[in-house]
Amino acid sequence: GAVVSQHPSWVICKSGTSVKIECRSLDFQATTMFWYRQFPKQSLMLMATSNEGSKATYEQGVEKDKFLINHASLTLSTLTVTSAHPEDSSFYICSARVAGWNTGELFFGEGSRLTVL
Amino acid sequence: QKEVEQNSGPLSVPEGAIASLNCTYSDRGSQSFFWYRQYSGKSPELIMFIYSNGDKEDGRFTAQLNKASQYVSLLIRDSQPSDSATYLCAVNAGGANSKLTFGKGITLSVRP
Repeated sequence: GAVVSQHPSWVICKSGTSVKIECRSLDFQATTMFWYRQFPKQSLMLMATSNEGSKATYEQGVEKDKFLINHASLTLSTLTVTSAHPEDSSFYICSARVAGWNTGELFFGEGSRLTVL
Repeated sequence: QKEVEQNSGPLSVPEGAIASLNCTYSDRGSQSFFWYRQYSGKSPELIMFIYSNGDKEDGRFTAQLNKASQYVSLLIRDSQPSDSATYLCAVNAGGANSKLTFGKGITLSVRP
């Protein structure tokens, strides 16, 4: 399958700081990437859909000014959590579709575990 | 609102048994269906996808789709302790670029 790499895999930061998470498709081009958040023992929650070269589409209730998404190339999308607070501590996972595939499956990165102190 | 429902778990089966995981969806126009496995603390990995009514087999896994009844299931034959994980059902209601809607997942435990 297609490989999606996410970095960092875990990060600890102080309240009020910003954290950037990178998501790369290693062996394919991804015109669309999806960012999810998962709290302990809960399911995946879609935060936003990231389209290469255009603004991300955010799900209802997700603050676009707090969770900045940039999809500058066909292989890289970034999520920046601005002014992080302890309630932002979660497991953030990106996923991508292979451009040109019509099968629709998503390939997930390894996830980034954020802890805000 | 498009919904994907999975059996409340957890599900526990003995090693070697068949594990049956079920999922129903509300959007009758859904086109493709996916099963993901997620180990604790890890991200989901794709097990199978299915588009057409009927069964699709891949090794010990069989996905079953019934669009008329709006359900999709995953059978795991000869269950192994390494199959112990949370299984997520996902549905794509639109075209290839549409987002997936995930169920809450069901945790499977395979007892040695």
